[in-house]
Amino acid sequence: AQSVTQLDSQVPVFEEAPVELRCNYSSSVSVYLFWYVQYPNQGLQLLLKYLSGSTLVKGINGFEAEFNKSQTSFHLRKPSVHISDTAEYFCAVSPLSGGYQKVTFGIGTKLQVIP
Amino acid sequence: DAGVIQSPRHEVTEMGQEVTLRCKPISGHNSLFWYRQTMMRGLELLIYFNNNVPIDDSGMPEDRFSAKMPNASFSTLKIQPSEPRDSAVYFCASRMTIQAYPQETQYFGPGTRLLVL
Repeated sequence: AQSVTQLDSQVPVFEEAPVELRCNYSSSVSVYLFWYVQYPNQGLQLLLKYLSGSTLVKGINGFEAEFNKSQTSFHLRKPSVHISDTAEYFCAVSPLSGGYQKVTFGIGTKLQVIP
Repeated sequence: DAGVIQSPRHEVTEMGQEVTLRCKPISGHNSLFWYRQTMMRGLELLIYFNNNVPIDDSGMPEDRFSAKMPNASFSTLKIQPSEPRDSAVYFCASRMTIQAYPQETQYFGPGTRLLVL
């Protein structure tokens, strides 16, 4: 079984400042890792995913995340945020193999960009 | 493509009434998921279909919940009778599952916001 912990429920940040949204996971097997974004009144959209290879993954809208296996973390970063980045962000994991690779989501982090 | 389509977008009903939520997945996708999102529990998987067959329904809360997928382009989630604690946003997502390509992306619909009074 897998679990995901998003340590911050809300993160306020000023426009053009950098941001890091934290995600830690636990799993008895190797996993794939994802970040999804949910804008108000919309469904979730994939930001980026780590399957294998380079531990630094670049996604849409200037976001990137780094997989750290030893710390079981997959933190999301952006060097300079815009007002339009205000949304809720979900970290998720799924096992590499076995079953249908069920995706387990974290509780979400609300990013509020302040003008 | 129009994406995943869900209806209705909003539903307000009284306790005890039957509620039916509908989903049309992206054409060509062979996997469909129903999720429930609440403030307290976050996003929970309710049921997963592959090629119209329910594969994992372990997340369905209780017998009041049922889901069907009569064909590749349509699925329903029914709650009967509904209770106030069922109030949540219900999402449908679809994916093209191919064994050779790990973790194809899930595409989410806009959700149905359900309020049971």
